[in-house]
Amino acid sequence: QKEVEQNSGPLSVPEGAIASLNCTYSDRGSQSFFWYRQYSGKSPELIMSIYSNGDKEDGRFTAQLNKASQYVSLLIRDSQPSDSATYLCAGSSNDYKLSFGAGTTVTVRA
Amino acid sequence: KAGVTQTPRYLIKTRGQQVTLSCSPISGHRSVSWYQQTPGQGLQFLFEYFSETQRNKGNFPGRFSGRQFSNSRSEMNVSTLELGDSALYLCASSSGGGEETQYFGPGTRLLVL
Repeated sequence: QKEVEQNSGPLSVPEGAIASLNCTYSDRGSQSFFWYRQYSGKSPELIMSIYSNGDKEDGRFTAQLNKASQYVSLLIRDSQPSDSATYLCAGSSNDYKLSFGAGTTVTVRA
Repeated sequence: KAGVTQTPRYLIKTRGQQVTLSCSPISGHRSVSWYQQTPGQGLQFLFEYFSETQRNKGNFPGRFSGRQFSNSRSEMNVSTLELGDSALYLCASSSGGGEETQYFGPGTRLLVL
């Protein structure tokens, strides 16, 4: 079993809609979680980090963390064609490495 | 601040050769991590260095090695290249805490023929 699992996707949403991405993790020692966006042929870029239970909002992005359920999610509101990318969920257990999910590819239809 | 830089950006090698990739972290960052990304396996952790010491290592054969210099720049080396080593190799830097945000460089795309 992978340490971090993402809902398989791909996900296609119309422009202006909400894209919902989910991620579960198996290591209860994981304390920090990150969402990265990766455009085709490019390297991952950080969107959000979240360390505490609850919601964290940054512009059109909201990350949610539920440590009891071992669940992390990312909502993208008012989706734009420029949001079309692969979104990677990652967790860290204070062991100096990130464990990544397989990624969810999002396509925003104009 | 300048971001993470990696050289070279592209490499073509043949089986059996060896390769050295270089990474310069964000100024002030002392931790450098290396990851391999392939379509089949996704992003996998190779190793992490802090103050010239390897603090963690992923599940890769001994052909994969790395080091870090006193200026925090890091290199990774792959010896006796195999076709399956074709991948995007990503370097990430952070301040050095165990759970701190890692910032990625542009990557080195390696093709082994």
